[in-house]
Amino acid sequence: AQTVTQSQPEMSVQEAETVTLSCTYDTSESNYYLFWYKQPPSRQMILVIRQEAYKQQNATENRFSVNFQKAAKSFSLKISDSQLGDTAMYFCAFMKHGSPSGTYKYIFGTGTRLKVLA
Amino acid sequence: GAVVSQHPSRVICKSGTSVKIECRSLDFQATTMFWYRQFPKQSLMLMATSNEGSKATYEQGVEKDKFLINHASLTLSTLTVTSAHPEDSSFYICSARSGRGEKLFFGSGTQLSVL
Repeated sequence: AQTVTQSQPEMSVQEAETVTLSCTYDTSESNYYLFWYKQPPSRQMILVIRQEAYKQQNATENRFSVNFQKAAKSFSLKISDSQLGDTAMYFCAFMKHGSPSGTYKYIFGTGTRLKVLA
Repeated sequence: GAVVSQHPSRVICKSGTSVKIECRSLDFQATTMFWYRQFPKQSLMLMATSNEGSKATYEQGVEKDKFLINHASLTLSTLTVTSAHPEDSSFYICSARSGRGEKLFFGSGTQLSVL
C-alpha cells in the first residue's frame, strides 16, 4: 500500500524568507502524480503544485517549486519569498492510476502546519 | 479553475437525526467524487469514492449504512449521515475529479456538530 509521510508537524519562517517542507512516499507504482495542497484557516483545500512522476523536470508555480527525487521517493516543497498569506496547513498527496477499473485514489500525508512570521 | 460547491457549510443537529450534505460540481462533469473526514489538526481521511451511476466504494472501517453516499448525476453527490451521534461530529469535505484528469477540486467543507 502507498504511504505518504510528512515528518515536520510544524514549521515557521520569517516573511520574505525561504522555507522547505519535506515529504516522502512509498510506492511500487511507476505511473503516479504528486501534489501539494494548502489548507488555510478557511479550511478550503487549494492545489499549490503538482508533479507527474514520469517527468524529470521539477514543477514550479511562481514562488512555489518542488524538488522531486523519484529514486529516493522524496517530494519537497520550497516556498520562496514567504508571505503572511502562506500561513496554512500543507498536505503532500499521492495519486496512482489504478487499472483496469480506472479507479483513482488519493493519499494524503499528515500535514505540516506552516506559520509565516511578520 | 473548476468550482465545487458544498452545502451546508455548518450544521448542528440533535443526536439520532439524519443530516444530508450536498456536493456539486458547478462547471464541469465530475465522473468521480470523494468524501473525506477531517478531525481537528489532522489529515484528510478518505471515507468513500463514488462514481456517477454506481454504488460508492467505502474505505475499510467506514460504515456504509451510516454514511450513505449517492452520486445520481455527473454534477451532484450527497453524503447522508444517518442517526448521527456525537462521535460523528467532524469536518466533512467532498472533492471531485473531472474525466481522466488527475486534479482534485475540493468543496469548502461542512462542519457537523451533533449534540
